[in-house]
Amino acid sequence: NAGVTQTPKFQVLKTGQSMTLQCAQDMNHNSMYWYRQDPGMGLRLIYYSASEGTTDKGEVPNGYNVSRLNKREFSLRLESAAPSQTSVYFCASSERYEQYFGPGTRLTVT
Amino acid sequence: SQELEQSPQSLIVQEGKNLTINCTSSKTLYGLYWYKQKYGEGLIFLMMLQKGGEEKSHEKITAKLDEKKQQSSLHITASQPSHAGIYLCGAEKTDSWGKLQFGAGTQVVVTP
Repeated sequence: NAGVTQTPKFQVLKTGQSMTLQCAQDMNHNSMYWYRQDPGMGLRLIYYSASEGTTDKGEVPNGYNVSRLNKREFSLRLESAAPSQTSVYFCASSERYEQYFGPGTRLTVT
Repeated sequence: SQELEQSPQSLIVQEGKNLTINCTSSKTLYGLYWYKQKYGEGLIFLMMLQKGGEEKSHEKITAKLDEKKQQSSLHITASQPSHAGIYLCGAEKTDSWGKLQFGAGTQVVVTP
């Protein structure tokens, strides 16, 4: 039981480049989330998916797109990376109350 | 939007001493969550409180939600090095179950 896995762990992009962050969970949870964590700001919700085939915007969705590929996988795409998107990105999943978090992806945009 | 203020931002405590972290909301809290994060890792769920006056404990960690449901505290008794990390409170928004808004976090350092 791996829980929530994220790839890659680290990534450096140049401004304007695109990339996709991958997330998968093996707990058969319906809900999945993408957060970003910045110093002094806690975690902020980017997008979430209540179930397979549905997605909804969170607090800070601008500059991001998501895909809920199936029940297990929820990806986050940066189409044209900007330095303001330098952050640590966390994926999480839940069935009811408790959210289970992945180890995070540390992204730097230069 | 619901703002969550955590205090203190950071604290240093000697091993064996107690500590308390507070989480205050400008609005009524519906579902208050406490998580712990070790540096460079994801968040680990500690506890969830829903009812006014509710109190939960796990090992040496106790969390309370006040009667007005606008403030929560996390208390660690006889701190140990394993208690070091960042503690975050998260609140459920009233209009959308499961979507959490988090406080900025409290960094806890435990010294020998």
